[in-house]
Amino acid sequence: DAGITQSPRYKITETGRQVTLMCHQTWSHSYMFWYRQDLGHGLRLIYYSAAADITDKGEVPDGYVVSRSKTENFPLTLESATRSQTSVYFCASSQEVRRTDTQYFGPGTRLTVL
Amino acid sequence: QQPVQSPQAVILREGEDAVINCSSSKALYSVHWYRQKHGEAPVFLMILLKGGEQKGHEKISASFNEKKQQSSLYLTASQLSYSGTYFCGAGGSQGNLIFGKGTKLSVKP
Repeated sequence: DAGITQSPRYKITETGRQVTLMCHQTWSHSYMFWYRQDLGHGLRLIYYSAAADITDKGEVPDGYVVSRSKTENFPLTLESATRSQTSVYFCASSQEVRRTDTQYFGPGTRLTVL
Repeated sequence: QQPVQSPQAVILREGEDAVINCSSSKALYSVHWYRQKHGEAPVFLMILLKGGEQKGHEKISASFNEKKQQSSLYLTASQLSYSGTYFCGAGGSQGNLIFGKGTKLSVKP
C-alpha cells in the first residue's frame, strides 16, 4: 500500500526552466493539495483540487500551474522557476474537505532553483 | 491569515509537560494538529471540532475555546519521541486548512 508518493524527492534546476513535481495517491481520495514549506513560514497552500478537472488557488498560487486529469495524480508545474521558489513541496490528500477530514502528506520534494 | 502559534520553540527534559497554543483572528470551525519530525512529512495528531468533539490517534490532549478562537495542545510527561515541530491548522467554513508557522519542541534526556 503505497499511499501518497511524490517524485522526484530532490531536484536542482536553474532559473527560468520549467519543472514539474509529481504527486500520486492510491487511496482514491477526492481532495489533493500542494503546500510549500519555508523556514519562518510554515506550510502554505499553493493549490488544491476537489476532484478530477476541478482545481482552485490557495494562499500562494503565483508562478505555479496544476492539473488533475486523473483522480490519483496531481502534478505541480513551475513554468519558469525563480529562486524564490526554492522550497520543500508537500502534496497531501484527504477523502473530503470537511471539518473532520485528516490530510495525509507525501514525503516531500526538496527543490533548489539556482 | 495564518493562525499564530506560541511559543515558537520550547526545550524540555524528559518527563516535563508542555503547552502549545494556537490562536486565530478568523472564526474557527475546527483545529487540526500535526507533528513533523526533521526531514519528514507532517503527521496527523488530532482534530478538534466546534462543539467540543475531539478525534485523535495518540494519547495527546487538547482544548478548543471557540469564543476566543484558540486551541491548546497539551503534552504531558514528554518523551524523546515527542520532539519535532508542531503545527496547528485552522479550519474554516469550507474545510481548507491554514497552518500556523509551527512550534519547535525539543525533548532532552
